[in-house]
Amino acid sequence: QVQLVQSGAEVKKPGSSVKVSCKPSGGTFSSFPISWVRQAPGQGLEWMGGIIPMFGSANYAQKFQGRVTITADKSTTTAYLELRSLTSEDTAVYYCARAVAAAGSGAVFDSWGQGSLVTVSS
Amino acid sequence: DIQMTQSPSSLSASLGDRVTITCRASRNITSSLSWYQQKPGKAPNLLIYAASTLRSGVPSRFSGSGSGTDFTLTISSLQPEDFATYYCQHSYSDLFTFGPGTKVDIK
Repeated sequence: QVQLVQSGAEVKKPGSSVKVSCKPSGGTFSSFPISWVRQAPGQGLEWMGGIIPMFGSANYAQKFQGRVTITADKSTTTAYLELRSLTSEDTAVYYCARAVAAAGSGAVFDSWGQGSLVTVSS
Repeated sequence: DIQMTQSPSSLSASLGDRVTITCRASRNITSSLSWYQQKPGKAPNLLIYAASTLRSGVPSRFSGSGSGTDFTLTISSLQPEDFATYYCQHSYSDLFTFGPGTKVDIK
């Protein structure tokens, strides 16, 4: 099972941007999509979007369209989530997760990063 | 987008109890439904996929059923390590959605 290692905690001002990274241990990208899921304090899981690192194509939840960019750098085997125009409501733990195709189920998230806490505060 | 609901939002149960959690999709998602367990401060962990397939290594007291719009996660005999929050997630399209979660705590 692949391990995903994320960047550390960040404190940001309202209106600024944050960029969180996710790197598979062993440094090998595969054809599996990487998704980003966030969890606000005391709240549930919210899927934000995903990317297939080998191809660079990303898709996003409608809620985050225009405010989020998910990219992947094949040279450093790292996936990134950038979120712009931050507000206090973006304070959350951000997880990356690997999606694998499961028979009869579409994609499931079988490996997760440890999470990156982003705090938005003035 | 496909919306997911879960019930109950929380429940209290005792060791050895049989626990059932329900998940409903806003439209037919065939069997494209997974269940995750999350403990405080930890990332979610995949338990079941394709509505009823147990992930390797997950105890057999966990089971899933359903298809279409209605799904169930059952824990046949609750163990101490099962106190956690459980989420369903659809993968019928590539715009994934999680349910709001069901917190299982000790009665």
